[in-house]
Amino acid sequence: GNSVTQMEGPVTLSEEAFLTINCTYTATGYPSLFWYVQYPGEGLQLLLKATKADDKGSNKGFEATYRKETTSFHLEKGSVQVSDSAVYFCALSDPMDTGRRALTFGSGTRLQVQP
Amino acid sequence: DTEVTQTPKHLVMGMTNKKSLKCEQHMGHRAMYWYKQKAKKPPELMFVYSYEKLSINESVPSRFSPECPNSSLLNLHLHALQPEDSALYLCASSHDPQGNYGYTFGSGTRLTVV
Repeated sequence: GNSVTQMEGPVTLSEEAFLTINCTYTATGYPSLFWYVQYPGEGLQLLLKATKADDKGSNKGFEATYRKETTSFHLEKGSVQVSDSAVYFCALSDPMDTGRRALTFGSGTRLQVQP
Repeated sequence: DTEVTQTPKHLVMGMTNKKSLKCEQHMGHRAMYWYKQKAKKPPELMFVYSYEKLSINESVPSRFSPECPNSSLLNLHLHALQPEDSALYLCASSHDPQGNYGYTFGSGTRLTVV
């Protein structure tokens, strides 16, 4: 079956530090890949997505590249801000998984950015 | 309108109560979802509606009863819940059932069962 593995958190960084959150996946088909962010007390917001190999998703300074050869979709940001403190979920949607037709989530990584 | 709207935002109910959660979207999305999220965990899929028909029920107890009155609305009827059902309930929608364009989530209903 499909699965998503994220690095354990929490990740604690100082403001303006470089961020990487690792994400790898297992899928039967050619999935679409997503990063969602959840701020405290809120729902999930789509941060970025990529639908095929070598696509780069980007938004609000965050980037992730769909690497089929390493089955990875690592999230990066060059300079984090305190306002980036949140939980980040990597997820996939596999069109070949006709029985499920929904997102498969990683466990989530909590990011804490200190001033 | 690019939002999924969920009401109420907070709900406290007793174990003998009957209540309903509501979800609405006006993006023309043809698939809608209910997820349950416990603290510090990822969302867990409960139900999927595709073209207003229930297509997936992830072995959810019958005390949770979904309803899709039309393509814009999704309800979750609650009856005789247990304290362990306390969680954040998230509604989501997608343009197509495969979700290739992504899923839009509502801000959730935080449910407390007492």
